[in-house]
Amino acid sequence: EAGVAQSPRYKIIEKRQSVAFWCNPISGHATLYWYQQILGQGPKLLIQFQNNGVVDDSQLPKDRFSAERLKGVDSTLKIQPAKLEDSAVYLCASSLWTGQGEQYFGPGTRLTVT
Amino acid sequence: KNEVEQSPQNLTAQEGEFITINCSYSVGISALHWLQQHPGGGIVSLFMLSSGKKKHGRLIATINIQEKHSSLHITASHPRDSAVYICAALSLSGSARQLTFGSGTQLTVLP
Repeated sequence: EAGVAQSPRYKIIEKRQSVAFWCNPISGHATLYWYQQILGQGPKLLIQFQNNGVVDDSQLPKDRFSAERLKGVDSTLKIQPAKLEDSAVYLCASSLWTGQGEQYFGPGTRLTVT
Repeated sequence: KNEVEQSPQNLTAQEGEFITINCSYSVGISALHWLQQHPGGGIVSLFMLSSGKKKHGRLIATINIQEKHSSLHITASHPRDSAVYICAALSLSGSARQLTFGSGTQLTVLP
């Protein structure tokens, strides 16, 4: 079974530029999560999708972050414009459904904003 | 105060030592995860448990629901065990089940 795929693995941009990350969850997983992990901290949930609907985006900085999962499969997370404090690893995870606790994580995208 | 706290933050051990990482949580949970994160960033789920004890190879995870405490043990540690170990509490929040993460324990096992 293929795992959660993410791209790119690394990205370096200057502040005020835009960036987009892509995630392909495990086939058949209805729930998809985006997390932000700042160095030395645990991951923080940014947004949770159930199929193509948003379940929770309460911690997403909506003035600069956006995410979509239009067909209920792949998802993209965008930052526009980026700030220095956005430097982090962005992790995507998926699970069979929202009530099922086991989440499977992708390798993450390490973003550096200079 | 973080809802999930881990100790220690950093741990250095010699190969072969028995290792314990602790996790305390203040939220009501339905399950607790132990995760392993290697330097590349990817996270692997080691255990999900809601009671008692689970064992996989040299790894053992225990949880005490009454005390809101869990431990991850590694027997006969090896340098390849070097990683960040994260505990995460699975709580029910509205219609969503969310993971609340600890800040992780950086384990270094020296040969």
